[in-house]
Amino acid sequence: DGGITQSPKYLFRKEGQNVTLSCEQNLNHDAMYWYRQDPGQGLRLIYYSQIVNDFQKGDIAEGYSVSREKKESFPLTVTSAQKNPTAFYLCASSRSLQGARGELFFGEGSRLTVL
Amino acid sequence: AQRVTQPEKLLSVFKGAPVELKCNYSYSGSPELFWYVQYSRQRLQLLLRHISRESIKGFTADLNKGETSFHLKKPFAQEEDSAMYYCALNCTGANSKLTFGKGITLSVRP
Repeated sequence: DGGITQSPKYLFRKEGQNVTLSCEQNLNHDAMYWYRQDPGQGLRLIYYSQIVNDFQKGDIAEGYSVSREKKESFPLTVTSAQKNPTAFYLCASSRSLQGARGELFFGEGSRLTVL
Repeated sequence: AQRVTQPEKLLSVFKGAPVELKCNYSYSGSPELFWYVQYSRQRLQLLLRHISRESIKGFTADLNKGETSFHLKKPFAQEEDSAMYYCALNCTGANSKLTFGKGITLSVRP
């Protein structure tokens, strides 16, 4: 079953703790993205990666970190420096950055709640 | 800088009524525009793109460069159209990436 898998679906974290959200894709896509979805704010880009071992900051990268050691994996770490981490996080992928033609494939999302 | 504006947060219509979801964009280059949809308990997915000039599930959208708009329209709404709709702008170039609007919830009542 091809697609994007995010885990966990729900995650609770205490203040001051880092947490890592997993994103795996078996679509053989080069580009991967992390978005944050908040009510009334739409989707905001956190980080994106065009290729293995390369990634770029999006519009709201502060307090987040990523890695791209494998083509199929793009984990996101929400650090304790992120002031408002409670949100719904969406991972996406596309064939390439330039060749995406706007078609992103999304995961089901991970909901992080900071207690 | 590129920007996508969806001026309304919610649109509620009765089944069979026409629907227009507004989207305006700001971009100095040649834009590529898209509509994404998220049905309840489903993944966000591409609905249609302006370059295809196609009708998907009865929805159409025309790019109006003069008005910098890409409104989504459907002549007769169905209950299954109830969902969250996002307009998105792809800025072509070396670092093209999608910029999304804030989204609008469409509610179609029976």
